[in-house]
Amino acid sequence: DAMVIQNPRYQVTQFGKPVTLSCSQTLNHNVMYWYQQKSSQAPKLLFHYYDKDFNNEADTPDNFQSRRPNTSFCFLDIRSPGLGDAAMYLCATSREFLRAETQYFGPGTRLLVL
Amino acid sequence: DQQVKQNSPSLSVQEGRISILNCDYTNSMFDYFLWYKKYPAEGPTFLISISSIKDKNEDGRFTVFLNKSAKHLSLHIVPSQPGDSAVYFCAASARETSGSRLTFGEGTQLTVNP
Repeated sequence: DAMVIQNPRYQVTQFGKPVTLSCSQTLNHNVMYWYQQKSSQAPKLLFHYYDKDFNNEADTPDNFQSRRPNTSFCFLDIRSPGLGDAAMYLCATSREFLRAETQYFGPGTRLLVL
Repeated sequence: DQQVKQNSPSLSVQEGRISILNCDYTNSMFDYFLWYKKYPAEGPTFLISISSIKDKNEDGRFTVFLNKSAKHLSLHIVPSQPGDSAVYFCAASARETSGSRLTFGEGTQLTVNP
């Protein structure tokens, strides 16, 4: 089955210690997205890649970076996690971006910052 | 500034009855609306969508209604089943200006009681 996979499902890190979350997809979609969802809040888009083009949302903190080495993989790097970065991180994909398309989500990685 | 709002955090319905989930938006540029369903420990899954040129879209037990003048949409599930118990997210995009970028509501927890 074509899908969006996120590893790990749970990640514990220490305050200030860099952490990387990973996402892979077998859908061969051009666009990959990263969302942050805090408890009982709406998922919030951090950035997206259209192919190799990186697009940052205006209010995404500099502490968050992303890499997309190939079509299948996308990484979220948090350089110095703070307590406020504890959240569920969702990866999603879509075929295209300029036409609104259905996004397909992975199961998410729950990040805990100690 | 929450552009998409789901004012009911939770809804409880008896099996076989109708579930009505509501969503309001403020951005008049939104022209495409989606509903996602999320089970615990899984990512959101696409349920149904509607373009702003329509006022109704139906798919089996699920119907989405759009009232552009009121900037309101609703999801009707009939008949409701216990397996429908999940968090439902409303999402919107402004295709002309923002492509597939989605703005989500905070979600409504639907519980269908047997």
